[in-house]
Amino acid sequence: GNSVTQMEGPVTLSEEAFLTINCTYTATGYPSLFWYVQYPGEGLQLLLKATKADDKGSNKGFEATYRKETTSFHLEKGSVQVSDSAVYFCALLSGGYQKVTFGTGTKLQVIP
Amino acid sequence: DGGITQSPKYLFRKEGQNVTLSCEQNLNHDAMYWYRQDPGQGLRLIYYSQIVNDFQKGDIAEGYSVSREKKESFPLTVTSAQKNPTAFYLCASTDPTGTITPNYGYTFGSGTRLTVV
Repeated sequence: GNSVTQMEGPVTLSEEAFLTINCTYTATGYPSLFWYVQYPGEGLQLLLKATKADDKGSNKGFEATYRKETTSFHLEKGSVQVSDSAVYFCALLSGGYQKVTFGTGTKLQVIP
Repeated sequence: DGGITQSPKYLFRKEGQNVTLSCEQNLNHDAMYWYRQDPGQGLRLIYYSQIVNDFQKGDIAEGYSVSREKKESFPLTVTSAQKNPTAFYLCASTDPTGTITPNYGYTFGSGTRLTVV
């Protein structure tokens, strides 16, 4: 079956530091890949997506590249801010009925 | 603006009581989902529905029930058979055909936090 593996958190960074959150996946076929963000007490929001190999998703300074050869979709940001503190979920969508498989989430804490 | 509305935001349940969580969407999405999120854990699928009047069990359906009488609505009932219901519940929807929101995955509601008192 499909699965998503994320690096365990929490990740604590100082403001303006470089962020990488690793994500690897196992899936049949050619899945679409997503990063969602969850702020405290809220639902999940789509952060970025990529639908085919070598696509780069980007939004709000975050980027992730769909690497089929390494089955990875690592999230990166060059300079994090305190407002980026949240839980980040990697996810994949595969199959005909849009069942998304989520990773366990990585909590990011950015300190001033 | 289109979106998903979950209510209430906070809900308290007494032992042995059934409670119903509301989820309404105006995105014209066919598919809807209920997830449970426990502290420090990922999302676990409770039930999902791909079309009106049809739904399937997810990974942790025991102690829960759903209905899908209207396209816009997918309420979740937490029954007294659910022994550990305290959690954050998230509803989501998507467009399987890709004609409304192609490959955008899920749209989520803002969640309901259920606590047993």
